[in-house]
Amino acid sequence: KAGVTQTPRYLIKTRGQQVTLSCSPISGHRSVSWYQQTPGQGLQFLFEYFSETQRNKGNFPGRFSGRQFSNSRSEMNVSTLELGDSALYLCASSRGSYNEQFFGPGTRLTVL
Amino acid sequence: AQTVTQSQPEMSVQEAETVTLSCTYDTSESDYYLFWYKQPPSRQMILVIRQEAYKQQNATENRFSVNFQKAAKSFSLKISDSQLGDAAMYFCAYRSATSGTYKYIFGTGTRLKVLA
Repeated sequence: KAGVTQTPRYLIKTRGQQVTLSCSPISGHRSVSWYQQTPGQGLQFLFEYFSETQRNKGNFPGRFSGRQFSNSRSEMNVSTLELGDSALYLCASSRGSYNEQFFGPGTRLTVL
Repeated sequence: AQTVTQSQPEMSVQEAETVTLSCTYDTSESDYYLFWYKQPPSRQMILVIRQEAYKQQNATENRFSVNFQKAAKSFSLKISDSQLGDAAMYFCAYRSATSGTYKYIFGTGTRLKVLA
């Protein structure tokens, strides 16, 4: 059974640009959560999607948005990039919101 | 709001020895889940162990066990017979069991070094 995949694995952008990250969950998983991981802050919850609906959102500005498609694949978009957005963005999927989360390898975003 | 605190940024343990990683949390809820996740260098995060708050018995998974003290809001991870492959970042996480609240709250992590 294939695990959670994230593309791209590495990304370099400049300030002011926007970026879209993609996450493909494990087959059969309907819940997808996104996290931002930085050395100082640890993992910060961004949002969770279940059956194409955003169920919960963390404390991030509106520049961070996401969506989920009917096949449960999810995308995360960050507009008007800032230097502080440089981080590892992790996606995790689960069968349901209360099941164990399985993490992807992450997308390393560097903003110059 | 719930918080999770890992007060040990880094720990070291000799191979084959035992180490305990600390985690405390704050919540006003009575029903929740607690987790320990492991993130090896440049590798994916994986679940090590989970504990349901309503269960008094401490969870164990092979060499990994927890000491869950609900009243003290403490959830420490004990790794016995440490192996080189245990070297990783360890994250403690909290998740509410209340319907409608789905997000995980993670601590800042503890980097575990295993010395040969």
